[in-house]
Amino acid sequence: KAGVTQTPRYLIKTRGQQVTLSCSPISGHRSVSWYQQTPGQGLQFLFEYFSETQRNKGNFPGRFSGRQFSNSRSEMNVSTLELGDSALYLCASSLFAGGGYTFGSGTRLTVV
Amino acid sequence: KNEVEQSPQNLTAQEGEFITINCSYSVGISALHWLQQHPGGGIVSLFMLSSGKKKHGRLIATINIQEKHSSLHITASHPRDSAVYICAAILNFGNEKLTFGTGTRLTIIP
Repeated sequence: KAGVTQTPRYLIKTRGQQVTLSCSPISGHRSVSWYQQTPGQGLQFLFEYFSETQRNKGNFPGRFSGRQFSNSRSEMNVSTLELGDSALYLCASSLFAGGGYTFGSGTRLTVV
Repeated sequence: KNEVEQSPQNLTAQEGEFITINCSYSVGISALHWLQQHPGGGIVSLFMLSSGKKKHGRLIATINIQEKHSSLHITASHPRDSAVYICAAILNFGNEKLTFGTGTRLTIIP
């Protein structure tokens, strides 16, 4: 079966712009979670969606937002980009929240 | 202080050696994951544990709930095992978000 698909794989944006990243979960998985990975902070939880509802949110500013559609696909949006938002953004899907996770390959965002 | 701590941060070993990576946590958890990340960023979930021991090929993961400790072992290590290994816990705070350790960079020399 197809894995978790994240698009795009690489992205370069300018400070102040906004960006939307996409995550398509494994078929049948209803939970999608998002993570940010930077060399300084490591992996950090952003938010988790289950059946179109945000269930958990990490300690990130309101510029970071997300949503989940009825087909379980999820998007995350970062507005007013800052240099510090440069990171690898990973999403993971699971059948249920807290279940076994399957990760996507990530989107590497560079803000210049 | 991080709620999930890993050691060592870096580990270099010769091919064939037995490898142990440790993970400790300071609060109650409902489950613990071991993840593998290769250069390029892709993450593979190796194990999810809530008690006891799991084995897959040359990889073994154990968890001791009372001692708040988990270990990942690799037997007969191989250069292709070189990666960053990350433990991640689901903490008992009433939600199910993953809290990550800082990772262990493993390098296996042929």
